[in-house]
Amino acid sequence: GENVGLHLPTLSVQEGDNSIINCAYSNSASDYFIWYKQESGKGPQFIIDIRSNMDKRQGQRVTVLLNKTVKHLSLQIAATQPGDSAVYFCAENYGANSKLTFGKGITLSVRP
Amino acid sequence: GAVVSQHPSWVICKSGTSVKIECRSLDFQATTMFWYRQFPKQSLMLMATSNEGSKATYEQGVEKDKFLINHASLTLSTLTVTSAHPEDSSFYICSATQGLNEKLFFGSGTQLSVL
Repeated sequence: GENVGLHLPTLSVQEGDNSIINCAYSNSASDYFIWYKQESGKGPQFIIDIRSNMDKRQGQRVTVLLNKTVKHLSLQIAATQPGDSAVYFCAENYGANSKLTFGKGITLSVRP
Repeated sequence: GAVVSQHPSWVICKSGTSVKIECRSLDFQATTMFWYRQFPKQSLMLMATSNEGSKATYEQGVEKDKFLINHASLTLSTLTVTSAHPEDSSFYICSATQGLNEKLFFGSGTQLSVL
């Protein structure tokens, strides 16, 4: 389940460096995973997804890695830019119902 | 990508009044819409699942008489917060999908502040 603590963990990176955001998901039966980006006061924005029959998927400047053995999901952002600063959530889905369970979120802060 | 429009983006109301939030899928038919609630610095918590033409399914702990959901068409779902109180102040977000196991598209959210 999600951690509903008051403060989201923060990852601070230098502009131009690569970022790695990690997520531990809760349900070993989950078969679909998504990373979302949320800027302040806005709804979540889809970044990339991956199904459980894959362990890696690449997009433009982003890569998602899935390790089902340890129920771990990561998002890699290459050449991080100031516009990447936001809160990032992983989400998991089990079964064909589109009902997502969100992780607790991580704040990415990019230093110029 | 598909567009989901949520309105209003923010609303301030007095305690005891009701507030309606609209969620529209602009360029696709949404068989299912979801309503979430998000407190500051926290994750999204699913409140209910709304299927067109049927009653919404509420998550455990969410009062269905408090949060009325209507999904009368394939492009519109509404969430009405009845008799709002300060503790209902939150960021409410909707999402919509074309079908089972299809991608979800999110609205821009509604910030509700109850005085």
